[in-house]
This record gives sequence, structure tokens and C-alpha cells, in this order.
Amino acid sequence: DTGVSQDPRHKITKRGQNVTFRCDPISEHNRLYWYRQTLGQGPEFLTYFQNEAQLEKSRLLSDRFSAERPKGSFSTLEIQRTEQGDSAMYLCASSPRRVGSYNEQFFGPGTRLTVL
Amino acid sequence: AQSVTQLGSHVSVSEGALVLLRCNYSSSVPPYLFWYVQYPNQGLQLLLKYTSAATLVKGINGFEAEFKKSETSFHLTKPSAHMSDAAEYFCAVSVTGNQFYFGTGTSLTVIP
Repeated sequence: DTGVSQDPRHKITKRGQNVTFRCDPISEHNRLYWYRQTLGQGPEFLTYFQNEAQLEKSRLLSDRFSAERPKGSFSTLEIQRTEQGDSAMYLCASSPRRVGSYNEQFFGPGTRLTVL
Repeated sequence: AQSVTQLGSHVSVSEGALVLLRCNYSSSVPPYLFWYVQYPNQGLQLLLKYTSAATLVKGINGFEAEFKKSETSFHLTKPSAHMSDAAEYFCAVSVTGNQFYFGTGTSLTVIP
């Protein structure tokens, strides 16, 4: 079973450093989503891609955050000049595109970021 | 704008008792509604979904939910709780099927 995978699973960094996370979606899925989940909260939508195109971005995605999906396969989420408030679980999900229907999202295990 | 409210951040039930987790949604257009479960250190797993077909939706592990438009609710139930049901449960709403809005979650504890 090749589900959604994320790397690394845990990341500890010092404030001000840059970090990059990777997400590998299910192979035939052309949509990919990033969420952030803080302790005691539900996941908050950050952005989503259809193939290589970034189609939606949340206001939560400040200019320190950037996401890419080159070639429409894996995606990376980079946070520059990390702040302690960036400490959270970063979740990736993918879905197939079905015209005229909702798109069930399959979630990865997440990357837990701790900013010291 | 869409949103969900989950009443009760913590719910405790005895093993074998009824599980009821509450979710109310807000949406200006007919929504898609979902329940996800999250076990510790794991990603979210879809339990069930409402996509404008039958209002009573059956999911995995014996869970079901009923869409009630008049009450704007989508409560999750299970007739008999099992120890393995202990987890965090999230209700989510989507209109486009892309951007999901999650509730703050309900932590379910099952008492032996």
C-alpha cells in the first residue's frame, strides 16, 4: 500500500532557520493539499495543487511560506526564517480528480515541526 | 464561508455504550460533510462522508452519521463503543471538494 508519505516525520530547528518538508502523494492522484495542525486544533488549510499548478492559497500562508510541486508529483513546503509560532504538525493530503464529484482526501502521517 | 463546530472537546463513554459526537456546520450552499479519525502520531483517516446522496451515512468500524439540514447537523454515532475507538475525531465541511474546513476535534475516551 503506497499511501501518502511525508519526510521528515519530525523536525527540530532554531528560530530563524529555514526548513523544507517533502510530501509524496499517492501516485495516480493529481491533487495535493497542505494543512497545518496545532495542538488542540483541527487541520487548517494552507494550499492546494492540481498537477503542478498552485490553485488556492490560504491567508495563513504568509510570505515566509512557499510550496512547490514541480512536474506535478511530489511537493515541498518551505518555511523561511522560522518563528516559534510555526511549531505545528504539517499534514499533506492527496486526492484523485473526479469530475462532478467531491474529491476524497487521503492524508499522510504529517511532519511535526518544533521551533526552539 | 463554511465552518463546523464540534460540541465537546472531550467525550468519555464506557465500553459497550453508545458513542455520540456532535457536529454542526455552517454553509451557504449544500455542503459535503466528513468525519475523520486521528490516532496518536498518525494522519487522518476518513470514517465516512456525506455527498448529497442518502442522509444516513454508514462508515467504517461501525460508525454512522445522519445529515439533518433543518438542524445543520452531522452527528457521528456508534451503537457500542470499543476500546480501539479511543482517538481524536474531526468533522469537516467542504463546498468545492477541495478546501476543507475542520472542526477543533473531539477526543474520545473509552472506559473499560
